[in-house]
Amino acid sequence: DAKTTQPNSMESNEEEPVHLPCNHSTISGTDYIHWYRQLPSQGPEYVIHGLTSNVNNRMASLAIAEDRKSSTLILHRATLRDAAVYYCILRPKTSYDKVIFGPGTSLSVIP
Amino acid sequence: EAGVAQSPRYKIIEKRQSVAFWCNPISGHATLYWYQQILGQGPKLLIQFQNNGVVDDSQLPKDRFSAERLKGVDSTLKIQPAKLEDSAVYLCASSVLQGSSSTDTQYFGPGTRLTVL
Repeated sequence: DAKTTQPNSMESNEEEPVHLPCNHSTISGTDYIHWYRQLPSQGPEYVIHGLTSNVNNRMASLAIAEDRKSSTLILHRATLRDAAVYYCILRPKTSYDKVIFGPGTSLSVIP
Repeated sequence: EAGVAQSPRYKIIEKRQSVAFWCNPISGHATLYWYQQILGQGPKLLIQFQNNGVVDDSQLPKDRFSAERLKGVDSTLKIQPAKLEDSAVYLCASSVLQGSSSTDTQYFGPGTRLTVL
């Protein structure tokens, strides 16, 4: 079973910010939070990851709750090319703990 | 930098036939993953290789699925015989995976869409 829960779908207007939530109440102290997204007919692509502090990169920002039981992926200005399924996953410390993808959040961007 | 290559991109077969998929990871990546993605679901890990050794194949249906990674570079995934429920996209991913996996980034190929009739 996935260790994270996300809404099945969300909508956003183009050029507006989007906040994609993820709950991971059973996260352990050494789990990193990773986000991937999957554009239609493509393989998933890495977006961002973090441990405790908020993180920014050219694609998005990641806000992590103080208790680490939830996080939010922030797209600052949604474009039509951001329409995708967004996956929030936990990466364990050891290489032998398998990565588990849930069904993710399907983001629709309205022109 | 070249990405993860997979072939074929599409395959249609009849049930009970055999099929093979090929994956060439990013050069220098030690770890290779095969995932199965059924329509509407997230990818499910089938097998993980580190170099040419298997580190996790707990979700691989071993009665019909097999995978190998000879010489620790490219890999093939085979299904023999195929069933209707094997219809899915088969994704290959690779990662550098040095030390802790917590910060490891996976790079995915475009996938092979398999339809079993």
